[in-house]
Amino acid sequence: DVQMTQSPSTLSASVGDRVTITCRASLSISDWLAWYQQKPGKAPNLLVYKASYLESDVPSRFSGGGSGTEFTLTISSLQPDDFATYYCQQYNYDPYTFGQGTKLELK
Amino acid sequence: QVQLQESGPGLVKPSETLSLNCTVSGGSIHSYYWSWIRQSPEKGLEWIGHIYYRGTTNYNPSLKSRVTISVDMSKSYFSLNLRSVTAADTAVYYCARQAAVGLNNLWGRGTLVTVSS
Repeated sequence: DVQMTQSPSTLSASVGDRVTITCRASLSISDWLAWYQQKPGKAPNLLVYKASYLESDVPSRFSGGGSGTEFTLTISSLQPDDFATYYCQQYNYDPYTFGQGTKLELK
Repeated sequence: QVQLQESGPGLVKPSETLSLNCTVSGGSIHSYYWSWIRQSPEKGLEWIGHIYYRGTTNYNPSLKSRVTISVDMSKSYFSLNLRSVTAADTAVYYCARQAAVGLNNLWGRGTLVTVSS
C-alpha cells in the first residue's frame, strides 16, 4: 500500500496567517492527490483534487501543489472557518490511502 | 442536489455481519462509482471498497475476504456487508460518490457502528 505521511500533525496558527501542510507519498503518485477538510462530527469535504485543482465553491485562499511524492496545501490567509483537520489522499493506486491528518488549531 | 444517507444498526455483535445501506437522493445512481470508507481513531480514514453502478467492484485487500458491496439501481441505493466483525471494525462508516475512480467528492454524514456483545 502507498503510505501517506502528513506534517505537521498539529499546527497552531492565528486568523490571517499563511499556513502550509505537507503530504509525502511512499512512492510516486504523479498528481493523483486530493485534500479534504473535516470538522468535528462531520464527513470530510473535498477541497483539492489532482494536486492543484480547487473543487467548486472552495475559497481561493486554498491552493494545492506538488507532484510525484511531495505535496502541499496552503491557506493564504486563515479565516475562523478554516480551523479543522485536513487529510491528503492518493488515488493513483488501490487501495486508496489517506494521510493521518493535520489538525489546524487556533493559537 | 444529490445527497447520500447511511442507514443500518449502530451495534453489531462480534462474529456477526455488519450491514449498511446508502440511499442516493436527488440524483441518479447511474454513471458513477460509489464507495464505502470508514474512520476510527486507531486506523484513521480507510477505504473499504467501491462499486460501479453496473456492479463491478473493487475492495481493499485488507478487508476483501470479509466484504461485499452491492447496488440496487432500481431503488437507488448501495450496500455494504462486512462479515465476522471484531472490535477492530468499530468505526464511523461513510458512503461516498466518486467523481473519478478513488476521488470521493460527495459524502454521506456517516454512521457510527460499534462492535460489542
